[in-house]
Amino acid sequence: DAGITQSPRHKVTETGTPVTLRCHQTENHRYMYWYRQDPGHGLRLIHYSYGVKDTDKGEVSDGYSVSRSKTEDFLLTLESATSSQTSVYFCAISDPGLAGPDTQYFGPGTRLTVL
Amino acid sequence: AQSVTQLDSQVPVFEEAPVELRCNYSSSVSVYLFWYVQYPNQGLQLLLKYLSGSTLVKGINGFEAEFNKSQTSFHLRKPSVHISDTAEYFCAVSEGRQGGSEKLVFGKGTKLTVNP
Repeated sequence: DAGITQSPRHKVTETGTPVTLRCHQTENHRYMYWYRQDPGHGLRLIHYSYGVKDTDKGEVSDGYSVSRSKTEDFLLTLESATSSQTSVYFCAISDPGLAGPDTQYFGPGTRLTVL
Repeated sequence: AQSVTQLDSQVPVFEEAPVELRCNYSSSVSVYLFWYVQYPNQGLQLLLKYLSGSTLVKGINGFEAEFNKSQTSFHLRKPSVHISDTAEYFCAVSEGRQGGSEKLVFGKGTKLTVNP
């Protein structure tokens, strides 16, 4: 399972509150990703990282920020949560040395509900 | 920009019947192609991938896919499905270049329901 954990697994919060989701990996893989999954939209990339302190925006980055101060942790922050950010969030990793180029492995997901 | 089209949002089939889940992509450049499966309330699991070489790729659980460059397709097939194959299946594509960000673009998914 590529040693990926996400925390929390479930969270309910109120509109306007800050929320941080954590992705942790145990095997020093280079690339890490945050996706959101919504019915009818598949998976959409929010942000990704290609190394410590190296991050970039994905397709749906508005309202989200990320940080990667250590190889093993990739944090996703919603500065002021909105109901449109209710979703299931998945973290993924990839590493050419693990299974070839571009092959991503996913964590178990975090279900976030914003009331 | 890359795009992936999964032509069927839902596919119902009977147990032991064959199934084909269709996937088309937009890129004309060299690509890597993937199929992932998601069982209810779980994360995505890699089913199979095409990086290069033989255009027929075999994956886990008896699934296979065929890369067709001229049709820009990567359809997923299984000759005989089981109840346990009920899940959502996602096709994904990346540009097949060395180095780079290794980003994937996903299709919107196909829900396969296997009925007894």
